[in-house]
Amino acid sequence: AQSVTQLDSQVPVFEEAPVELRCNYSSSVSVYLFWYVQYPNQGLQLLLKYLSGSTLVKGINGFEAEFNKSQTSFHLRKPSVHISDTAEYFCAVSFTDKLIFGTGTRLQVFP
Amino acid sequence: DAMVIQNPRYQVTQFGKPVTLSCSQTLNHNVMYWYQQKSSQAPKLLFHYYDKDFNNEADTPDNFQSRRPNTSFCFLDIRSPGLGDAAMYLCATSRVRDRGYEQYFGPGTRLTVT
Repeated sequence: AQSVTQLDSQVPVFEEAPVELRCNYSSSVSVYLFWYVQYPNQGLQLLLKYLSGSTLVKGINGFEAEFNKSQTSFHLRKPSVHISDTAEYFCAVSFTDKLIFGTGTRLQVFP
Repeated sequence: DAMVIQNPRYQVTQFGKPVTLSCSQTLNHNVMYWYQQKSSQAPKLLFHYYDKDFNNEADTPDNFQSRRPNTSFCFLDIRSPGLGDAAMYLCATSRVRDRGYEQYFGPGTRLTVT
């Protein structure tokens, strides 16, 4: 069965510091992985996705993620965060025509 | 721009008074989803349409119904809202030929039950 674990419910970080949001998955079939961002009172916006090919995936807003099959991970990284990156981040794995979401990580960027 | 639109963005209803939330899309995607999202939680899938085929999640209460009259529109009906139904409701779409079924989300409707 497919599942997603986001171990960190909250990640506080200072502006311009690097950040990593962790995501581990479990899947018995081909893996398609996504990171979505949600700003307050808004819908989810796709940051990046892994479908196949290069394990390093670049997304919008300077984010990138690395697919690691042996460690079943898909961690999200940004080398220098901005105040505007404060939001909720969801990792998800695709299962047939549905998405299985992790519980989310709240990224709080401080000045 | 092609998009997913939800109306209204904010809806207030009274306890027990039926309410309908609407979603439309200009992406011409054949799959449409409704999610419920409570504060600080991940979205929870209520049901989805694969074209006209309705797929209900096993734990979706009977109080929640849906209609999809055509490809572009999908409605969520809450027959007798309770205080516990106050949440953000998200509509999303995907295209069956897209690997991984990437989903495109609308801005959501925040429902308040008084």
